[in-house]
Amino acid sequence: QSALTQPASVSGSPGQSITISCTGTNSDVGGYDYVSWYQQHPGKAPKLIIYDVSNRPSGVSNRFSGSKSGNTASLTISGLQAEDEADYYCTSYTSSFSYVFGTGTKATVL
Amino acid sequence: QAQLVESGGGVVQPGKSLRLSCAASEISFSNYAMHWVRQAPGKGLEWVSVISYDGNIKIYADSVKGRFTISRDNSKNTLYLQMNSLRPEDTALYFCARDYSGGGCDYWGQGTLVTVSS
Repeated sequence: QSALTQPASVSGSPGQSITISCTGTNSDVGGYDYVSWYQQHPGKAPKLIIYDVSNRPSGVSNRFSGSKSGNTASLTISGLQAEDEADYYCTSYTSSFSYVFGTGTKATVL
Repeated sequence: QAQLVESGGGVVQPGKSLRLSCAASEISFSNYAMHWVRQAPGKGLEWVSVISYDGNIKIYADSVKGRFTISRDNSKNTLYLQMNSLRPEDTALYFCARDYSGGGCDYWGQGTLVTVSS
């Protein structure tokens, strides 16, 4: 199972919005509404910010939103803040009953 | 304090075995599927394995299939990963995580480091 494709880096100024894409195939992202997104700060465990494509866990800021179109899922961070600077990973359920992570994206707040 | 705590990591020679544990405290464990995820130094996340809430279904990444075995003891609120025939490329920080929904994991441990080196 090949890793899902994410851009290596994205950046934006405080207050702006950024979008991170996550591209797979119809055997993973396109085939199931089981896409999740994680935020990971250096030296920390990942934190769930979106599950089932577009749902936010309790306590996660509504500045984070998720969507999906075809084989590509997207994470949008609006009203960018300094604390949003982190690595972001998508993950999807697959037709092999397994899971696959994305390649990861480093988000930088300028 | 609600948490998952991994243990059992260390330095091991190629071809040897290691058993990781993940103890859950103050969170519901027996009703949820559990995952192992690893992260090589300076690299991204890699999914390793998942086990159903009752232990009847176990799925593995191709990279560990036939070498790693996931298991759980719901009476002890503990998840395990038996790792055999270890290779240098298995060197990573190993996290356990609780599956909240469809692979979205809401609780993660702090990770336990496994280093495979001669």
